[in-house]
Parts: sequence; C-alpha cells; structure tokens
Amino acid sequence: NAGVMQNPRHLVRRRGQEARLRCSPMKGHSHVYWYRQLPEEGLKFMVYLQKENIIDESGMPKERFSAEFPKEGPSILRIQQVVRGDSAAYFCASSLFNTNTGELFFGEGSRLTVL
Amino acid sequence: KNEVEQSPQNLTAQEGEFITINCSYSVGISALHWLQQHPGGGIVSLFMLSSGKKKHGRLIATINIQEKHSSLHITASHPRDSAVYICAVDPKGYGGSQGNLIFGKGTKLSVKP
Repeated sequence: NAGVMQNPRHLVRRRGQEARLRCSPMKGHSHVYWYRQLPEEGLKFMVYLQKENIIDESGMPKERFSAEFPKEGPSILRIQQVVRGDSAAYFCASSLFNTNTGELFFGEGSRLTVL
Repeated sequence: KNEVEQSPQNLTAQEGEFITINCSYSVGISALHWLQQHPGGGIVSLFMLSSGKKKHGRLIATINIQEKHSSLHITASHPRDSAVYICAVDPKGYGGSQGNLIFGKGTKLSVKP
C-alpha cells in the first residue's frame, strides 16, 4: 500500500506567485490534515478535511490560504500571492478514523521556498 | 508557557545507551502521539497513547494521565535513531476537530557510534 503521497517535495516561488501543494491520502482514508512547520519552529495545525468538506480550518491564515479535498483526486493546499513568511515545510497526514481512535500517517512534506 | 513541553531540547548519547525523552502537557487530552522526524525528511508516527504503555521493538512509550506526562524510551540506542522526536496531544473536548493537535517543539537526539 502506498503511504501518504505529497507533491511537489520542493517548490520554489517568487513573491506574489501561487503555490499549490497536493496530498493523496492512504487508500481508504477519508480524513486529511494539513500542518505547517516554519523554520526552527514546531508543527502547527492548519486544517482538517473530509471528502468535499472542511471540518476545521481554525489554523488557517485568514487570507491567501485555502484547502480542498474533492470527491475525486488529492487534497490541495493553495497559497495565493505568496510572501517570504510562507516559506516552510507543509505536511499532510491522513487517518482512517478521527485521530483519537485512528493512527495518523504523515507524508514526506512539501518544502516551499519563497524568493 | 507552552501547552506541550518537551525535555530535553537536545540530547547526545553514545550507541547502546538507554534514552528517555519527556513530554508534559497542561490540557486535558484524548490521546497523545509520539512522532519521529529525520533531518529534511518526513514524519513517522511512532505511538498513539491514551493510557498505559506501548512497546514497539526498542521503543517504549508510557503515559500518566493524572500527572499529564508521557515518556518515550529507546533501549540500546543506535546512530540510526538520530532524529527529532516530537510529542503531540489531541485536546479533549475541543469540539469536533480531531486533527487539531498541539505539538511540542521536539527533542533533537544524536546517537554517536
């Protein structure tokens, strides 16, 4: 079974461009979580999605960031008009159940560098 | 004060040593996770605990809910154990989102041959 697949692994963008990060959960998993790890800082929760629904986006910055998990295809984290402060590693995780009953499986992360 | 505190921040050990990493938290939780992150690499979930103790190979994780404390032990440490170990808690009664984990800052472990 393939694990959680994230792409691209590395992405370089200039200020003002858009970044799209993709996450394919493990087969059969319908819960997807996105986390951000800023340089020299700990991980922070961003958003929790189930198929076609955003369940909790309390960790998402109010502007420029959006996430979706369509019925078909991967979950996408979209960052519009990127700024240098968006440079970070973005991790996706999936679970079969909610995390207090189901184990989390993480991807390798997507490392965004904004020039 | 952070809601999840790990100690030590950095740990250097000789191969073969017994290692303990501690995690204290200040909120009620429904579960606690131990994660491993290699430099520049992805994150691997080691354990998810809500009570007691779990063992996997040379790794042991314990949790004391009353004390709000968890420990990760590595027996017979090896250089390949060198990584950052992260404690994360799933807050209780948050209100629906089970993925809204609170993470510690991590413990950087270096095991020398």
